[in-house]
Amino acid sequence: EAQVTQNPRYLITVTGKKLTVTCSQNMNHEYMSWYRQDPGLGLRQIYYSMNVEVTDKGDVPEGYKVSRKEKRNFPLILESPSPNQTSLYFCASSLSIAGTSTDTQYFGPGTRLTVL
Amino acid sequence: DQQVKQNSPSLSVQEGRISILNCDYTNSMFDYFLWYKKYPAEGPTFLISISSIKDKNEDGRFTVFLNKSAKHLSLHIVPSQPGDSAVYFCATNQGGKLIFGQGTELSVKP
Repeated sequence: EAQVTQNPRYLITVTGKKLTVTCSQNMNHEYMSWYRQDPGLGLRQIYYSMNVEVTDKGDVPEGYKVSRKEKRNFPLILESPSPNQTSLYFCASSLSIAGTSTDTQYFGPGTRLTVL
Repeated sequence: DQQVKQNSPSLSVQEGRISILNCDYTNSMFDYFLWYKKYPAEGPTFLISISSIKDKNEDGRFTVFLNKSAKHLSLHIVPSQPGDSAVYFCATNQGGKLIFGQGTELSVKP
């Protein structure tokens, strides 16, 4: 089954404790990205990756890191989480650049992160 | 500054009636728009899209209309069903990323 998986689905942590949210897709997609969803703001892009070893900032990259060492995986790293990073996070992938007529983004189920 | 806006946080309609969800955007250079549907505890799923060369795209019960002069698009669901109850996001692409509206929560009552 074609899918995007994220782990963990739920995480409660404390300020400053490094954490990683994993994302994996089995569709051989080139493009992957991370979004956060906050009330009243919709989804905002954090980082994206056009291909292996190619990553770039989205709209809200501060406090986050990513890596793309393999095509299928795109982990999101919070080196020193803060309470304002409490949010719902989604990983997504697509065959090529997001939103073109021949392509759509597929989203993972989400990771709800709470930073105390 | 929100480049894609959905000004109605929620909408409630009766089963069988039409649901109309609205979306406005600020940049006339945006040329491709998408609607995503999201159920609780799930990720958004693609619903329907439209290119700026068209003013209408239809897929079953779902139709998206684009008014470029007004920088406005709308999603029509006819007839609405209880299973359509979800949050709907409109989005556009800009240089490799999707820009989303805030979402509209649709509730279809039996």
